[in-house]
Amino acid sequence: EAQVTQNPRYLITVTGKKLTVTCSQNMNHEYMSWYRQDPGLGLRQIYYSMNVEVTDKGDVPEGYKVSRKEKRNFPLILESPSPNQTSLYFCASSAAGTGYTDTQYFGPGTRLTVL
Amino acid sequence: AQKITQTQPGMFVQEKEAVTLDCTYDTSDPSYGLFWYKQPSSGEMIFLIYQGSYDQQNATEGRYSLNFQKARKSANLVISASQLGDSAMYFCAMSVSMDSWGKLQFGAGTQVVVTP
Repeated sequence: EAQVTQNPRYLITVTGKKLTVTCSQNMNHEYMSWYRQDPGLGLRQIYYSMNVEVTDKGDVPEGYKVSRKEKRNFPLILESPSPNQTSLYFCASSAAGTGYTDTQYFGPGTRLTVL
Repeated sequence: AQKITQTQPGMFVQEKEAVTLDCTYDTSDPSYGLFWYKQPSSGEMIFLIYQGSYDQQNATEGRYSLNFQKARKSANLVISASQLGDSAMYFCAMSVSMDSWGKLQFGAGTQVVVTP
């Protein structure tokens, strides 16, 4: 089954404790992206990657890191999480095309709480 | 700057009826894509339908159709024959060629509740 997977699905952690949210897709997609969803603010892009070793900042990159060492994986790293990073996180992927016409398929989401 | 507006925060619809969800957008870019996603209470984001700015025909996918009025900058989603499983939050999103590659700009969403 074609899908985007994220782990963990739920995470409660404490301020300052480094964590990684994994994202993997089995569709051989070139493009991957991370979004966060917050009440009243909607979904906002954190980082994106157009291919292996190619990453760039989205609208809200502060406090996050990403890496793209393999095509299928795009982990999101929070080096020192803070309570304002409590959110619902989505990974998405799409095949490379024009960008603006490509359908992005989302993972199931990771609900993160930072105490 | 690009903007997506969904003016209906929530609506009730009876089972088997059709419902129209409004979406207007604002961009100066002539090349853009419009997407609708469904987010049920379980939280995942499910792609429903896509419309390109150069598409001449309105997009359809099963019970979903997109009423694309380019001059009015609107891209309303029509769900025909509503089912209880259609109860969810629905998001309109846009991606434009001049923005960072593939970035989706989302509206605030419309909560749909389907009643028996």
